[in-house]
Amino acid sequence: DQQVKQNSPSLSVQEGRISILNCDYTNSMFDYFLWYKKYPAEGPTFLISISSIKDKNEDGRFTVFLNKSAKHLSLHIVPSQPGDSAVYFCAASRNNNDMRFGAGTRLTVKP
Amino acid sequence: EPEVTQTPSHQVTQMGQEVILRCVPISNHLYFYWYRQILGQKVEFLVSFYNNEISEKSEIFDDQFSVERPDGSNFTLKIRSTKLEDSAMYFCASSAGALQETQYFGPGTRLLVL
Repeated sequence: DQQVKQNSPSLSVQEGRISILNCDYTNSMFDYFLWYKKYPAEGPTFLISISSIKDKNEDGRFTVFLNKSAKHLSLHIVPSQPGDSAVYFCAASRNNNDMRFGAGTRLTVKP
Repeated sequence: EPEVTQTPSHQVTQMGQEVILRCVPISNHLYFYWYRQILGQKVEFLVSFYNNEISEKSEIFDDQFSVERPDGSNFTLKIRSTKLEDSAMYFCASSAGALQETQYFGPGTRLLVL
């Protein structure tokens, strides 16, 4: 069973607006969550992470929110820029091990 | 819901030995990938595979690496003569189509070369 799910395969937003990428997980033992950005024929590039002891982590235009009770996390990008267009993967790990990836969401930011 | 599986979950081997990492992609997917993540470093692309051929590979994927889809369900990564620096987590992924860049990742195989 997919333990980490990204139910939206694609998302399109206008430049300057907010992009919200969502991710759900099923395993309550996950204690560390990450977002990656990926271009074709490259490995996913780490973007931002959050520990399960927090509910928010912010880094510039990127903010990750964690709702443990709902087993849900989201990545907010504001303002969105055309260079943000890529596939975004969320991932979850347990004890810094056993990382599981979601299937990814393709974000397109239109100028 | 279908998922990508990988075996073994952990493998320990001696330097110079050959290892084969196995992956079972999602059954109707056509594109297959291998990535690796050395501890504490980024996830690196190794190779993509389509129609029984390598479609792209990175500079990491040198002659000691090979991939195969031997029986229509398994997708394997072989490392011929392992080196210490091959110790890493190896992730397999599959996708329904190359343009559909959402990829389903397996849980990984942790390889330790001694």
